[in-house]
Amino acid sequence: GQQLNQSPQSMFIQEGEDVSMNCTSSSIFNTWLWYKQDPGEGPVLLIALYKAGELTSNGRLTAQFGITRKDSFLNISASIPSDVGIYFCAGLGAGGTSYGKLTFGQGTILTVHP
Amino acid sequence: NAGVTQTPKFRVLKTGQSMTLLCAQDMNHEYMYWYRQDPGMGLRLIHYSVGEGTTAKGEVPDGYNVSRLKKQNFLLGLESAAPSQTSVYFCASSRRASGNTIYFGEGSWLTVV
Repeated sequence: GQQLNQSPQSMFIQEGEDVSMNCTSSSIFNTWLWYKQDPGEGPVLLIALYKAGELTSNGRLTAQFGITRKDSFLNISASIPSDVGIYFCAGLGAGGTSYGKLTFGQGTILTVHP
Repeated sequence: NAGVTQTPKFRVLKTGQSMTLLCAQDMNHEYMYWYRQDPGMGLRLIHYSVGEGTTAKGEVPDGYNVSRLKKQNFLLGLESAAPSQTSVYFCASSRRASGNTIYFGEGSWLTVV
């Protein structure tokens, strides 16, 4: 089945630093999505990417859909304490038996020290 | 706005008991998903549905059954609960599988003792 490898697993950074995380897959996806999850809550969508090569920003967040459609990265600039949480990438299946199937990476736990 | 609603939010089961988790969405979404989340493993897809009356297996379907008799509801059943099924369960829905925003419920905390 489809597998998403997300790295790093965790990050400890100082407030104001930039953060980068990425996901790679052995399969092609139609859409890449990045989510953030706070404790005790469901994931909340940050950025959605629909085309290979697409670069999209949402405030201090920037994400890109890889040209091969098998990878994506998320950057957070000038981190602040409220950026703390778990970040997940997710890929939406391209077709065949994977059509409509949304697969998640293992998550990146981000800790920001003031 | 209700969005995606999961019931119950918390439940403790004894090994061997059965139960059903209900997911309801009021957005007329075609696609619905059930995930489980365990520490260090992210969200793993159990089953999903691309429309009323259809279901498909995800990554970890064993021990679970699902039904989508009505478009707005997606039920997740545990026939004979096991301690390994202790987890947080999330339901999600989306309008179609073309990258539209996917909405998650708030989660259901299940403990099997």
